[in-house]
Amino acid sequence: NAGVTQTPKFQVLKTGQSMTLQCAQDMNHNSMYWYRQDPGMGLRLIYYSASEGTTDKGEVPNGYNVSRLNKREFSLRLESAAPSQTSVYFCASNQRGTDTQYFGPGTRLTVL
Amino acid sequence: GQSLEQPSEVTAVEGAIVQINCTYQTSGFYGLSWYQQHDGGAPTFLSYNALDGLEETGRFSSFLSRSDSYGYLLLQELQMKDSASYFCAVRDRGTALIFGKGTTLSVSS
Repeated sequence: NAGVTQTPKFQVLKTGQSMTLQCAQDMNHNSMYWYRQDPGMGLRLIYYSASEGTTDKGEVPNGYNVSRLNKREFSLRLESAAPSQTSVYFCASNQRGTDTQYFGPGTRLTVL
Repeated sequence: GQSLEQPSEVTAVEGAIVQINCTYQTSGFYGLSWYQQHDGGAPTFLSYNALDGLEETGRFSSFLSRSDSYGYLLLQELQMKDSASYFCAVRDRGTALIFGKGTTLSVSS
């Protein structure tokens, strides 16, 4: 099993460009999450999907959209990137009702 | 509001014992988790407490007091490889976790 995979690993964008971060899990988990991590700020929840077909805002949703494509895949879209969105983005998943989340390796995004 | 407080940095030497505290303030509470993150890597799950008391997993133990909204992670027989960031996290409702800002542990020889 690959666990949680994310693409791309690294990305550099110019202000105003758009892009989609991809995440997939092969553990048959119901719930999936997108976090961003900035120095000294810990992990902040952007959006999550408790189950296929549902999505909810987290702590810092502005500037992002998500799609739960199917049970395996959960994508994060930046419609018009801003320098403030420079961060490391982690996708995670877990079985609903449990607290053990499994994280992907992260996407390191720089917006110039 | 919802918040978790933990020290930003802790230093220790190999073989020592270190305790990382976490206090939380959330609207609901379903359990306290701990995650470890090595520099540049993905966070990995360490332990979980839903009820008061101590949970032990090898060299790591985690404690919870729900009445005090407090928990800690205890690391024994420290090794250089334990140098990492440690995050406490609370599930206050639904399925999402709220993470603390993390404690950077530096272990020296």
